[in-house]
Amino acid sequence: AQKITQTQPGMFVQEKEAVTLDCTYDTSDPSYGLFWYKQPSSGEMIFLIYQGSYDQQNATEGRYSLNFQKARKSANLVISASQLGDSAMYFCAMGRSWGKLQFGAGTQVVVTP
Amino acid sequence: DTGVSQDPRHKITKRGQNVTFRCDPISEHNRLYWYRQTLGQGPEFLTYFQNEAQLEKSRLLSDRFSAERPKGSFSTLEIQRTEQGDSAMYLCASSPGENQETQYFGPGTRLLVL
Repeated sequence: AQKITQTQPGMFVQEKEAVTLDCTYDTSDPSYGLFWYKQPSSGEMIFLIYQGSYDQQNATEGRYSLNFQKARKSANLVISASQLGDSAMYFCAMGRSWGKLQFGAGTQVVVTP
Repeated sequence: DTGVSQDPRHKITKRGQNVTFRCDPISEHNRLYWYRQTLGQGPEFLTYFQNEAQLEKSRLLSDRFSAERPKGSFSTLEIQRTEQGDSAMYLCASSPGENQETQYFGPGTRLLVL
C-alpha cells in the first residue's frame, strides 16, 4: 500500500526567506510520480511541481524546487524567497503512472512580514 | 485554455435530500477525477473516468454515491439520501491522459448537510 507522510502540521516563515516542507512516501511500485499542490483559503488546489521516479535531476519551477532523495523516499519542497501570497496549505501527493493521487495531511505555511 | 470548473461552489442541504454536482474538465482532457476533502485532511480519491468509462471507484464511494461522464466531457456526482458525514469539499480534477500526467483541480464544491 502507498503512504504519504507530512510531519509538519504548520510552519512560520519570514518574508524573503526560504522554507523546506518535508514529505516522505512509501511504495513498492517502481514507477510513480510525486506532486506538490498549494491550497489557499479559497480551497482550490494549485499544482506547483512534479517529479517522476525515474527523473535523474531534481525538478524546479520558478521559486519552487523539489529535493528528491529516492533512496530515502523523500520529496521535500523548497520555496525560495517567500512571499506573503505563499501563505497556504501545501500538500504532497503520489501517483502511479496513471490514476488516483494519494495525498499527505498537508502543512500550513504562514509567511510573516 | 480555461481551467476545470465546478458547479455549484456551495451547497447546503438537509439530511436525506439528494444533491448533484457538476464538473467541466479542461477541454480535451481524457481523464476526470473526483476527490473528497474533509476539514484538516488531504483530498481522498473517490473515482475516475477515462473518457466515458469509469475505471476505478474507491471503497469510500458507498452505494449512495454515483458518478457519470456520459459523453466523455462533463461529469456529475450525485449523493442520494445525504448524511451529515457527507459534509465536505468535493474536488474535481482532470488530466490529459498521458503517462504520469499532472491533475489540474477545479475550485471545488463545499457541501454542508444539516
